[in-house]
Amino acid sequence: GIQVEQSPPDLILQEGANSTLRCNFSDSVNNLQWFHQNPWGQLINLFYIPSGTKQNGRLSATTVATERYSLLYISSSQTTDSGVYFCAVSSTDSWGKLQFGAGTQVVVTP
Amino acid sequence: EAQVTQNPRYLITVTGKKLTVTCSQNMNHEYMSWYRQDPGLGLRQIYYSMNVEVTDKGDVPEGYKVSRKEKRNFPLILESPSPNQTSLYFCASSYRDRDSPLHFGNGTRLTVT
Repeated sequence: GIQVEQSPPDLILQEGANSTLRCNFSDSVNNLQWFHQNPWGQLINLFYIPSGTKQNGRLSATTVATERYSLLYISSSQTTDSGVYFCAVSSTDSWGKLQFGAGTQVVVTP
Repeated sequence: EAQVTQNPRYLITVTGKKLTVTCSQNMNHEYMSWYRQDPGLGLRQIYYSMNVEVTDKGDVPEGYKVSRKEKRNFPLILESPSPNQTSLYFCASSYRDRDSPLHFGNGTRLTVT
């Protein structure tokens, strides 16, 4: 099956800093999503982005499908950005079968 | 309010006692899926359904059953739970069309003793 690697595994940021999270995948995808799991365990969808660039407030994401990676940018980080960020992908022949990366644990300190 | 509702939120049971975790969505989504989350192993897909009466195995289907008799409901059934099924379970749904974000329920924490 498709392999998903996220980096870095952990990230500590001072409030106001910018950061980039990366998701590498091993095969062509037609479904790629980024999620944030907050400290209470809720999973929130951030982006559906199998290709191209999207922005939502201080967050933006870019997927370069031909090179098999996606980047999530957090700008001007806030303490509410703390949590775990996951990317999830499915290959072109199996849209519904989602494979999650191991996640990036982000801690934003005041 | 658009949401995915899982019940119960917490469940403690004993080995071998059949249980069902319910999942319901009110967004008319075709696609529904179940995941388990374990420390160090991340989120792993158990089963998914592309529409009514259509279900497929994810990465870790052993020991679980699902059914999709109605569009809004996708229950997860553990016929004979074992301690290695102690985990945090999530249900999720989306439209089947491309460009459709996945919406998660709040999770069910299951402990099997």
